[in-house]
Amino acid sequence: DGGITQSPKYLFRKEGQNVTLSCEQNLNHDAMYWYRQDPGQGLRLIYYSQIVNDFQKGDIAEGYSVSREKKESFPLTVTSAQKNPTAFYLCASSTRTSGRTYEQYFGPGTRLTVT
Amino acid sequence: GESVGLHLPTLSVQEGDNSIINCAYSNSASDYFIWYKQESGKGPQFIIDIRSNMDKRQGQRVTVLLNKTVKHLSLQIAATQPGDSAVYFCAENWHAGGTSYGKLTFGQGTILTVHP
Repeated sequence: DGGITQSPKYLFRKEGQNVTLSCEQNLNHDAMYWYRQDPGQGLRLIYYSQIVNDFQKGDIAEGYSVSREKKESFPLTVTSAQKNPTAFYLCASSTRTSGRTYEQYFGPGTRLTVT
Repeated sequence: GESVGLHLPTLSVQEGDNSIINCAYSNSASDYFIWYKQESGKGPQFIIDIRSNMDKRQGQRVTVLLNKTVKHLSLQIAATQPGDSAVYFCAENWHAGGTSYGKLTFGQGTILTVHP
């Protein structure tokens, strides 16, 4: 089955620790995205990558880092510099087509709790 | 700074009724719009999309209407079922710097509750 996987589903960390969230896709999509979702709010873009070895900051990149060494993988590191890291994190991917569609396919999400 | 939790708009309907969820978008240059459905604890799922050169598009039990004059998007769900209960997000796409990849900007979301 093609799709996007995120692991783990639930993640608990102590304050001051860096933590890396996994995102893998087998859809052969060029672009990948990381969003943060807080209760009662929409999705906010953290980072996105249009191609391997390239990525851009989104609207709330401070305290986060990413890498894109492989087309299939786009891990997100939540660093200790992120002041309020507890949230639901969603990874997405999209493809470049001749029709220039921008539908993003989402993974199931990782709920991070930092205490 | 700290984000403050907001109360999402809510819509409660009876099973079998038609539902209309509204969305105001921000960028007049946006050329593509999507509606997503998100169930609790899950990632958003694609429902339907529409390009800016259209004003209406129909899917299975769903219709999206686009009014570019007032920058308004709506999602109509026919014969709403309890399984339709979820948060619904609209998203708009616009090109940044000429790239062929757009960035989706998501609305706040609307909670739809369907009562049996």
